[in-house]
Formats: sequence, C-alpha cells, structure tokens
Amino acid sequence: SQQGEEDPQALSIQEGENATMNCSYKTSINNLQWYRQNSGRGLVHLILIRSNEREKHSGRLRVTLDTSKKSSSLLITASRAADTASYFCATDGSYIPTFGRGTSLIVHP
Amino acid sequence: NAGVMQNPRHLVRRRGQEARLRCSPMKGHSHVYWYRQLPEEGLKFMVYLQKENIIDESGMPKERFSAEFPKEGPSILRIQQVVRGDSAAYFCASSPPQGSYNEQFFGPGTRLTVL
Repeated sequence: SQQGEEDPQALSIQEGENATMNCSYKTSINNLQWYRQNSGRGLVHLILIRSNEREKHSGRLRVTLDTSKKSSSLLITASRAADTASYFCATDGSYIPTFGRGTSLIVHP
Repeated sequence: NAGVMQNPRHLVRRRGQEARLRCSPMKGHSHVYWYRQLPEEGLKFMVYLQKENIIDESGMPKERFSAEFPKEGPSILRIQQVVRGDSAAYFCASSPPQGSYNEQFFGPGTRLTVL
C-alpha cells in the first residue's frame, strides 16, 4: 500500500508555538499533498509538493519532501487557535490519492 | 464559482433502506471521486468517475454500493439495504479534466447514520 501515515497521531501546543507533522509513505510518488479538516467539515487543500521539489512555502506553512526517505513534513509556524484541525497527507503513486489517518492538532489559546 | 456541493448534509436511514447521496462537482470539473471516512480515520477511496464512465471502483464494496455520474446532473452514490456499518461521512471531490492527477476539491460531506 502506498498509503501515507501521519505522525504524531495527536499534537497539543500553545498558541504561538510551531507545529510539525510528519508523513511517511511506502512507494514512489508523483505528488504529495497536505489537507486540513476541521471537525465535521470536508477537507481543504493546503499545499501540493511534487516529487522533484524539496521544499515549499505557503504563508505560515512550510512543507518538505525527502523522496529518499519517503517522508514529508508540514510545519505550521506561529500557530493560532484557528489552526486546530486534523491534518492529512495524501500520496498519489497512481492517479488516486491515498490518505493517512491524520494528525489531530489542538492549539490552545 | 460555487464549490463542490453535496446533499443531503445529514441522512438518517433505518437498516434495510436505501441511501442516495448526491454530489455536484465544481463548474468545469468532469472528474468525481467518492471517499468514505469512519470516525477517527482517514479517507478511504471508493470510486473515481468521469462523465458517464466509471474509471476505478476498486474501493467500492462489491455488494449494495453503486455510483454513477450521468451526462447531466450530479453524481450519485447509492447504498442499498443499508446496515449499521455503513454509518460514516461520505465525501465527494472533483478535479478538472486534465491528463494527470490534479488537486482535488472536496465537498462538505454527507453524514449517514443508520439506525
């Protein structure tokens, strides 16, 4: 299976701190994407990183990709209470993205 | 440009009834994907459709589940003779008609409860 697996399963931090989530996968990919899901809502696309890219930024988000280790990380800097959500990585060895179980992030005000 | 729309948002059925979930993709999108999410779980792929074609249904249970995406109208995920284990959130996503995998846009989901 090329399912992405996020780590940690849950993360609890104070507002202003940085949050780092990791994703590992098993087979080669074309792209890796990170999504956010607020409780009871659908997924919101955050960022896509291609297999030939090593790092990408979007606002307070920084994503890295290490294809040799088959892993990616999502860093949220200066976290806010509104960042509280579940974060999923999705890999796409074929054309169907495969989601992990997610990291549940709680940011305390 | 409205996003992906799903209805109903919440659906309650008794065991043995049929559940019909609808998904209208974003304007200009011709690819639709259905996923199921159990509590505390990630999304599990069910089926990938283009207009009037099922491209990949490898994630669909062999019985009771079917999906369609007609030339006109929304995509429909149909669950016949529902059981309690079908209770889950069902998400639809759409993407533009490009040759390779592209960013998916998700709908708000339909939460199915089977009593």
